[in-house]
Amino acid sequence: DVKVTQSSRYLVKRTGEKVFLECVQDMDHENMFWYRQDPGLGLRLIYFSYDVKMKEKGDIPEGYSVSREKKERFSLILESASTNQTSMYLCASSYGGGEETQYFGPGTRLLVL
Amino acid sequence: ILNVEQSPQSLHVQEGDSTNFTCSFPSSNFYALHWYRWETAKSPEALFVMTLNGDEKKKGRISATLNTKEGYSYLYIKGSQPEDSATYLCAFLHNSGNTPLVFGKGTRLSVIA
Repeated sequence: DVKVTQSSRYLVKRTGEKVFLECVQDMDHENMFWYRQDPGLGLRLIYFSYDVKMKEKGDIPEGYSVSREKKERFSLILESASTNQTSMYLCASSYGGGEETQYFGPGTRLLVL
Repeated sequence: ILNVEQSPQSLHVQEGDSTNFTCSFPSSNFYALHWYRWETAKSPEALFVMTLNGDEKKKGRISATLNTKEGYSYLYIKGSQPEDSATYLCAFLHNSGNTPLVFGKGTRLSVIA
């Protein structure tokens, strides 16, 4: 079974802190994605990556950056956390090159105070 | 901007009722249509990936149909059970080869025992 893990289930940070959310997948997937989910807004794509050291902006990249130094790991970075970044963050991965079923991690619920 | 619409936004049904909901997507440049189920406190899980016009897929009491010419897919649940309570997401994959899945906002189903 594909396994996508995220470093924390719950996280509380203060405004202005630098926040790292880590995602690891164990199925050698090329593609990895970061989403945030807010009530009434569905899943919104922040950044994605189709290969190591590659990154593409999604629909809402402002205030975020990402890093993909290894194929299995995709990190989401909040350079200076703000209260409007309080949300549920979901990581996903997919094999790519075809129908691209995405496999999701358990999510990290981030609260920025 | 690719737009994926789902309706209704939410619905409540009695246990044993059958129900269905709709996903609308662009009818041009179609590659695939995904359905995911997202239960509370869990990760979204893929239900179906559909690629052919007229395709119908089934998993237990859940089935889905696809009309790529008019840009819609229906998800049906026969004899709803409380464990079917979840948010059902559809996602459209463009045939450009370099754009990720575009998710709808989901239909939140509550099955009342």
